[in-house]
Amino acid sequence: EAGVAQSPRYKIIEKRQSVAFWCNPISGHATLYWYQQILGQGPKLLIQFQNNGVVDDSQLPKDRFSAERLKGVDSTLKIQPAKLEDSAVYLCASSSDDGEKLFFGSGTQLSVL
Amino acid sequence: KQEVTQIPAALSVPEGENLVLNCSFTDSAIYNLQWFRQDPGKGLTSLLLIQSSQREQTSGRLNASLDKSSGRSTLYIAASQPGDSATYLCAVRRDNDMRFGAGTRLTVKP
Repeated sequence: EAGVAQSPRYKIIEKRQSVAFWCNPISGHATLYWYQQILGQGPKLLIQFQNNGVVDDSQLPKDRFSAERLKGVDSTLKIQPAKLEDSAVYLCASSSDDGEKLFFGSGTQLSVL
Repeated sequence: KQEVTQIPAALSVPEGENLVLNCSFTDSAIYNLQWFRQDPGKGLTSLLLIQSSQREQTSGRLNASLDKSSGRSTLYIAASQPGDSATYLCAVRRDNDMRFGAGTRLTVKP
């Protein structure tokens, strides 16, 4: 069974530039999550999708972050414009219908200079 | 607001030792608790999931316990190996909200 795929693995941009991350969840998983993990901290939920609907985006900085999950499969997370404090690893995870166990991708490491 | 704390932040042990990692949480009204492993540059891998009605779960050399009333969980690793070196995170779930601790970075020396 293929795992959660994320790209790119690394991204270096300058502040005020824009960046996009892509995630392909495990086939058949209805729930998709985007987490931000700052160095030395645990992951923080940015947004949760159930199929193509948003379940929770209360911690998403909506003035600069946006996410979509068209057709309820792949998802993209965008930052525009990026700030220095956005430097982090962005993790995508998916879970099956029961939402019990989360499966994580390898993440995208973003450095904002 | 749920707060999850993991102590110690880092731990170094010689190979073969048994060890305990700690996780505490402030709100005992949880649905479940999970322990994850994270290797450098990688995502998280779920190790054990304990439902709120359970006291412990075991998988191989790993045993996780849950004391919901006191807001604590422990992850016990028996006969540690260098391959166990990683960061271990706990996460508590209530409804759709899952909160992670900052993790314990474990180093097992040969």
